Amino acid sequence: GAGVSQSPSNKVTEKGKDVELRCDPISGHTALYWYRQRLGQGLEFLIYFQGNSAPDKSGLPSDRFSAERTGESVSTLTIQRTQQEDSAVYLCASSSTPNTEAFFGQGTRLTVV
Amino acid sequence: SQQGEEDPQALSIQEGENATMNCSYKTSINNLQWYRQNSGRGLVHLILIRSNEREKHSGRLRVTLDTSKKSSSLLITASRAADTASYFCATDLLRTSGTYKYIFGTGTRLKVLA
Repeated sequence: GAGVSQSPSNKVTEKGKDVELRCDPISGHTALYWYRQRLGQGLEFLIYFQGNSAPDKSGLPSDRFSAERTGESVSTLTIQRTQQEDSAVYLCASSSTPNTEAFFGQGTRLTVV
Repeated sequence: SQQGEEDPQALSIQEGENATMNCSYKTSINNLQWYRQNSGRGLVHLILIRSNEREKHSGRLRVTLDTSKKSSSLLITASRAADTASYFCATDLLRTSGTYKYIFGTGTRLKVLA
C-alpha cells in the first residue's frame, strides 16, 4: 500500500475485554515495530519483527500483551483483559531494512473504560 | 530507561526565530533519526544522520551529531507556526542478533507563536 495502515483508528473497550489492533505495513518492508504512547509522553517500544527472525518482545509490559506477524505482512497486537492503564495510542511503523527510515501509521487510540 | 532523551521538554518561540532541540543517548549508535509528530498521532521522518557524519541539512533543518558526547541537536531556522509539533530523536540499538531496533526519546514540544 501507499503507507502504513492501522485499524481501528479509535477503540473504546470495557475493562477486562480483549482487543486486537491491526497494522498493515508498507509492502516489502521487512522490519515492523509497535510502540505505545501515553498522553503527553514519549514512545515506548513494545515489540519488533524483522523478516523471519524471532521477534524482539523485550518491550511488552506484561503477558497480557502479545503480537503476531504473518511473514512480512500484516501484524496484530492483542491485549487481553484490558486495564485502564492500557489506554494510549498504539503506533505501528515499518522500514525496508532494520537500519533505515521508519514509516509510521496514524495509530490506534485505545480507551479502556 | 529510554535510550534517547530530548532537551528541553518544551520550547515556545516567536515565528521567524530559530529553534534548537537536543538529544542525548547512552550507548554507541549506528545512526540517529529525528521525527516530528503532529497532534499525537503518526510520526513523520525528518532526517537521518549516520555515526560517521557530523552535520546534515535538509531545507530549514540542520542536524549535528557528536558521538564523543553522545548527543545530537536539531536546529529549525526561520520557524513557522506550522512547525508547532513534538520532535523526537530515535537511536538504533544493536540487538544480539546483529540487527537493529529504534528507541525513541521523550520528545520536545515546540510551539511557534505567530
